This record gives sequence, C-alpha cells and structure tokens, in this order.
Amino acid sequence: AQSVTQPDIHITVSEGASLELRCNYSYGATPYLFWYVQSPGQGLQLLLKYFSGDTLVQGIKGFEAEFKRSQSSFNLRKPSVHWSDAAEYFCAVGRRVFGNEKLTFGTGTRLTIIP
Amino acid sequence: DAMVIQNPRYQVTQFGKPVTLSCSQTLNHNVMYWYQQKSSQAPKLLFHYYDKDFNNEADTPDNFQSRRPNTSFCFLDIRSPGLGDAAMYLCATSGGRLADTQYFGPGTRLTVL
Repeated sequence: AQSVTQPDIHITVSEGASLELRCNYSYGATPYLFWYVQSPGQGLQLLLKYFSGDTLVQGIKGFEAEFKRSQSSFNLRKPSVHWSDAAEYFCAVGRRVFGNEKLTFGTGTRLTIIP
Repeated sequence: DAMVIQNPRYQVTQFGKPVTLSCSQTLNHNVMYWYQQKSSQAPKLLFHYYDKDFNNEADTPDNFQSRRPNTSFCFLDIRSPGLGDAAMYLCATSGGRLADTQYFGPGTRLTVL
C-alpha cells in the first residue's frame, strides 16, 4: 500500500533563511507526487507536482522540489522564506485506482517563521 | 475566477441531528471528492464521484452519505453526527485524468454539540 511520511511535525525558521521540508513515500509503481500548502482555517493550495520528466520541479511562491527515486523522497525547498509562508505543508502521493485518481497525504509539517 | 465553493464555512449541529454540507464548482470537472480533516491530521478521503459514479472508501462510516445531482454540485450528508465527526470537511475537484491536480475548496468547519 502507498504511504507518505513527513518526519518533521513542526519546523521553525527565521525569515530570510532557507527551508527544506522532507517527504518520503512508499509506492509500488512510478509515483506522482504533490506538495500542498494550507493556511489556518483554509483549504489546500497546490504548490507543485511531479509526474514525469525533469526531477527538479518548480512551483508557485518560489518553491521547488526534487524527486529522488533512489531515496524515495520528494523534499520541498525554498531559498529564502517570507513571513507569509507560515502554514501547514502536506506532501501527497497520487495513484490511479480503477480509473479514478486518489491522493494519500502525509501528516503534514507546520512551518513557523520568526522575525 | 473558476473555483470550488463550500457552504457554509462554519456549521454547528447537535449530536444526532442530520446535517448537509454543500460544494459547488465552476471548473466543470468530472470528479468531486469529499475529505475529512481532523485537527492537526492529514485529510482523509471519504468518497468521490466520477461523473455520476459513486466511489466509497472502505473505511467510511455508513453515517456519511453523498449526493451529486449535477456536474456542479455535490453534497455531504451526515445522518447522525457524533462528537467524533467534528472536523473540517474539504471538497475537491479534478479533471479525472492521470496525475490531474485536485483543487480544494476552503472547507466547512463542523462543530457537534
């Protein structure tokens, strides 16, 4: 069965510092992977996704992620965080079941930004 | 702008009193999903519709039902809410093609008294 692990429950970063959020997945086939962000009391917004091709994926808001098959990882990075990046970040793996697309989410990483 | 809309944003109900949550979309997507998200947890898929075909997750309680009267609207019915059903309920849509993005609504926060 597919699964997603986000080992860091909570990360605190200074504004302007670099950021890396970890994501590891378990999936029998070639995965397609997503990063979503959720601000408090809001729905989820897609940051980026990997389906095929270039393993370094660029997303919105200056985020990028790198797919590493050998490590079963899809870590999210940003070179310089802004206070507005404070939110919950979810990694997800997509799978196709009987022609229907489904997502399995990790448990999320809460990002706090300090001045 | 094309979007996913959920109403109401906040819903308070009493223990055992049926409640209906609403989702609409202007994206003309084939697939609509309902997720339950409890505090500090990942969203958990309850069920989804591909067009009119209903797909229930194996561990979704019978207390949860859904209706999709047309492409644009989908409803989540909780027949007898318990205290454990208090959560954020998220609606999402997608085109249904391989690796399509799911677009989420803002969610409905359900409180059960």
